Amino acid sequence: QSVLTQPPSVSAAPGQKVIISCSGSGSNIGNNYVSWYQQVPGTAPKLLIYDNNKRPSGIPDRFSGSKSDTSATLGITGLQSGDEADYYCGTWDSSLGACVFGGGTKLTV
Amino acid sequence: QLQLQESGPGLVKPSETLSLTCSVSGDSIRNNNYYWGWIRQPPGNGLEWIGDIFFAGNTNYNPSLKSRVTLSIDTSKNQFSLKLRSVTAADTAVYYCARRMVGASKFFQHWGQGTLVTVSS
Repeated sequence: QSVLTQPPSVSAAPGQKVIISCSGSGSNIGNNYVSWYQQVPGTAPKLLIYDNNKRPSGIPDRFSGSKSDTSATLGITGLQSGDEADYYCGTWDSSLGACVFGGGTKLTV
Repeated sequence: QLQLQESGPGLVKPSETLSLTCSVSGDSIRNNNYYWGWIRQPPGNGLEWIGDIFFAGNTNYNPSLKSRVTLSIDTSKNQFSLKLRSVTAADTAVYYCARRMVGASKFFQHWGQGTLVTVSS
């Protein structure tokens, strides 16, 4: 059982928008930065969002992140078939003294 | 640019020790802005953080694995290593090495390609 809770799957049509949620608690999301990763099957995770809402160089602005209290969301607009992947949220848990991840959300376009 | 490459046996027998090394190129492992870590992913499952190490030797471990894990760093070779003792089939996973920021921004920007380790007799 993951410390952070994500929906197992989401789906949307090409060109549409999707939001993936990540729910935690005060000891993790509530008091720490959230990051988001995209993982195409068979490949390593790729950083999409860090510090709740910042994009690394090369990540298109179709990807956005936000955080409120003990939850975070990843938004993807203008969906493309290439966005089909698993998406993970991650943060630090101050009580555990550990990096924690959500269970992952499979996006189908 | 930064590259991380995992290496080690792909098959380990139950009760033995899993040993992996991550070779770093494109940056010095002595860079004091980063921790060097390990994350694993059992087949069909999600990501699990194992732990990370600073060049000076400071370590952080996942509490659920702490009793079996040792991380070490070799600055002369620009490498860091993972040892996981007393493995079982539940330790079968793709093991990734990665670099994360020091400080409040604990995200993993760079990852190795991963290496599958199977625990089986």
